[in-house]
Amino acid sequence: DTGVSQDPRHKITKRGQNVTFRCDPISEHNRLYWYRQTLGQGPEFLTYFQNEAQLEKSRLLSDRFSAERPKGSFSTLEIQRTEQGDSAMYLCASSLHATGPLYEQYFGPGTRLTVT
Amino acid sequence: AQSVTQPDIHITVSEGASLELRCNYSYGATPYLFWYVQSPGQGLQLLLKYFSGDTLVQGIKGFEAEFKRSQSSFNLRKPSVHWSDAAEYFCAVGVPQAGTALIFGKGTTLSVSS
Repeated sequence: DTGVSQDPRHKITKRGQNVTFRCDPISEHNRLYWYRQTLGQGPEFLTYFQNEAQLEKSRLLSDRFSAERPKGSFSTLEIQRTEQGDSAMYLCASSLHATGPLYEQYFGPGTRLTVT
Repeated sequence: AQSVTQPDIHITVSEGASLELRCNYSYGATPYLFWYVQSPGQGLQLLLKYFSGDTLVQGIKGFEAEFKRSQSSFNLRKPSVHWSDAAEYFCAVGVPQAGTALIFGKGTTLSVSS
């Protein structure tokens, strides 16, 4: 178990540019979640996948945000036409969903985005 | 809609003293409740969780929490705080309709004085 990894750890971009973040979950985990955390706030849920299916995306912040998990393994989160308000920490988490007791979500270290 | 309130933004406790961090939730059914800790530069780590059964749950690092349905609360406690406990603590409720995505409170920052 190598944990959830995220890449890059830091990203500085200019307003209007597109950015893409990658998340590699724990290998046997079938669920993957994306959250955003701004300064002084708790993480805010954005979207989640079960295997390759994106089962909830209504909480993505705008149509500039999109996520994929093409083969049910790693996932990417893309923000198009970035705005200064997108500056935040983007967190990924994974869990093993099965029948029976709930399994905890394991969080990655996050990608800190700064939009200048 | 589900929500979590952590009334205390910042708490300072002397090393060796007891600690209680407050959490109130809003949820229609039996909630799934969690406490996470986040240290600077570290990812979120699960301290403990409640799904059903015994309302007093034990977690890692000597923490415990008590679920009180009548008060819609899930307060975190530790009998003796160590300097290494200084961190940000988040209470969260799981949302089954969204794959048990977590709704977090705003967090409580714990400082430990010597």
